[in-house]
Amino acid sequence: AQSVAQPEDQVNVAEGNPLTVKCTYSVSGNPYLFWYVQYPNRGLQFLLKYITGDNLVKGSYGFEAEFNKSHTSFHLKKPSALVSDSALYFCAVRDRGSYGGATNKLIFGTGTLLAVQP
Amino acid sequence: GAVVSQHPSRVICKSGTSVKIECRSLDFQATTMFWYRQFPKQSLMLMATSNEGSKATYEQGVEKDKFLINHASLTLSTLTVTSAHPEDSSFYICSAREAGEVANYGYTFGSGTRLTVV
Repeated sequence: AQSVAQPEDQVNVAEGNPLTVKCTYSVSGNPYLFWYVQYPNRGLQFLLKYITGDNLVKGSYGFEAEFNKSHTSFHLKKPSALVSDSALYFCAVRDRGSYGGATNKLIFGTGTLLAVQP
Repeated sequence: GAVVSQHPSRVICKSGTSVKIECRSLDFQATTMFWYRQFPKQSLMLMATSNEGSKATYEQGVEKDKFLINHASLTLSTLTVTSAHPEDSSFYICSAREAGEVANYGYTFGSGTRLTVV
């Protein structure tokens, strides 16, 4: 079964410092990977995705993620954190059916709470 | 960009009553919508996939008669929590995929509904 793991429940970083939110995946075939951000009592906002092509994906709000096939990772990064980046971040992978084709479903990780201190 | 409107954002209801949550795609047609449930500090749990003009597909363990889903048009899906009980209190989020959209792309999420059953 397809899955993603976010090993850290919370990441603390000082404003201005670089941040990394980790995600590893387990899928059959080529993965379709996504990052979403959720602010309190709100839905999810799309940050970026990896489908194919360059391993470094640039997304919204200055975030980027690096697809690393050998490490089966898709870590979210930002060179300089802002207090306003504090939120819950979810990594997701598109599910695959029994015959290996992509389905409509997204499988989410457990989420990582990012806390940026001023 | 694509926008999904979810209403209401908050609802408090008495135990035993039913509550309807609406999910509308405002500027695109959505053949497929998804309903998620999120417990505090936890990930999103997919409840069901709603397909326009056909019956919803429920995930294992989700009671069909408890959580009624209707997707009567390409822009509207509704989730009705029937005979609500306090354990149904949760944050419910919908998402939609645009009709004809390349399967690789992400999904648009509603802003969520906080249901409290008293």
